[in-house]
Amino acid sequence: NAGVTQTPKFQVLKTGQSMTLQCAQDMNHNSMYWYRQDPGMGLRLIYYSASEGTTDKGEVPNGYNVSRLNKREFSLRLESAAPSQTSVYFCASESWGAGEETQYFGPGTRLLVL
Amino acid sequence: SQQGEEDPQALSIQEGENATMNCSYKTSINNLQWYRQNSGRGLVHLILIRSNEREKHSGRLRVTLDTSKKSSSLLITASRAADTASYFCARDYGGSQGNLIFGKGTKLSVKP
Repeated sequence: NAGVTQTPKFQVLKTGQSMTLQCAQDMNHNSMYWYRQDPGMGLRLIYYSASEGTTDKGEVPNGYNVSRLNKREFSLRLESAAPSQTSVYFCASESWGAGEETQYFGPGTRLLVL
Repeated sequence: SQQGEEDPQALSIQEGENATMNCSYKTSINNLQWYRQNSGRGLVHLILIRSNEREKHSGRLRVTLDTSKKSSSLLITASRAADTASYFCARDYGGSQGNLIFGKGTKLSVKP
């Protein structure tokens, strides 16, 4: 199993450009999440999807949109990138059951917006 | 901010020593989790402790939870160089299933 995969690994954008970050999981998890991590900060939740067909805003959703394409895939879109969106983005999926809630993280996408 | 707070922000110890990291939070929780992040990597789940539990062990890890003080601690015994990483506590959001609020982390350096 590959677990949670993210593409691309790195991206440089100019202000105003758009892009989509891709995430896929092969663990048959219902819930998926997008976080951003900035220096000196913990992870902050951007959007999440509790199940296929549903998405909800997290703590910092402004400037982002998401699509839960199917159970495996959850994408994050920046429509008009801003320098404040320079960050490392992590996707995660969640296992529930057997009394242990665990989030599994992808390796991250490093985004620089100039 | 609803983030929890870890302290210390950074910790440097020698191999073989114990490392203790603390996490405080402000509102009630259902559970609290600890994650590890190696440099340049995603987070890895270490352990979950529920609000009705006081202590939990997993290998060289020991987690305690004091809900009256709204705090938790992670103890790594007999540390190894491979334990060098950042450690984050995460508490459940209290609202939607699975939503977590992460602290800012403790950066642990274990010197051989």
